[in-house]
Amino acid sequence: GAVVSQHPSWVICKSGTSVKIECRSLDFQATTMFWYRQFPKQSLMLMATSNEGSKATYEQGVEKDKFLINHASLTLSTLTVTSAHPEDSSFYICSADRGEGQGRRNTFGSGTRLTVV
Amino acid sequence: AQSVSQHNHHVILSEAASLELGCNYSYGGTVNLFWYVQYPGQHLQLLLKYFSGDPLVKGIKGFEAEFIKSKFSFNLRKPSVQWSDTAEYFCAVKARTGGFKTIFGAGTRLFVKA
Repeated sequence: GAVVSQHPSWVICKSGTSVKIECRSLDFQATTMFWYRQFPKQSLMLMATSNEGSKATYEQGVEKDKFLINHASLTLSTLTVTSAHPEDSSFYICSADRGEGQGRRNTFGSGTRLTVV
Repeated sequence: AQSVSQHNHHVILSEAASLELGCNYSYGGTVNLFWYVQYPGQHLQLLLKYFSGDPLVKGIKGFEAEFIKSKFSFNLRKPSVQWSDTAEYFCAVKARTGGFKTIFGAGTRLFVKA
């Protein structure tokens, strides 16, 4: 079945540094990738939609200069949290779409737990 | 605005009780519907999904959900819960009108007493 790999699975960084999270579709080409954030005891909140070769579309309230998304190929999207602060500590999850129309399917990665100290 | 609503934030049941978790959405047109489960300390797992066809969908671990188009609902059910069903359950909707973004409900935290 379709597999989406997310790396790293957890990371601790110092306040002010940047962290890059990778999302790879291992056995399929992803037409679109999505990035979510989940704060403790809360639901997943969509941050941005990423299409290969074009700029990401950010949801309202998400700072595009802070959360840089690069969708370099049909199998890789990266999220960089720039100048991270403790309030950015969260669980970040990507998902990848494949197929079109009624055949469109979505697979989630296993998530990245970011802790900023 | 397009939204997904889960009616109960917390549910406490005894083992063997029946479960029904409500989910309503506000999207128009064709929708794909999902229920995910997140066990304590673990990541999301897909319980079941509806794309088309039979509106009664059966998923893993004895769960099922019914899509009622006229009510914009996709309620999750299980006839007899177990202690191991203690988890958080998320309803999610993906629609063409929503740009194919999967939008999640706020989640329902289920606690099953042994």
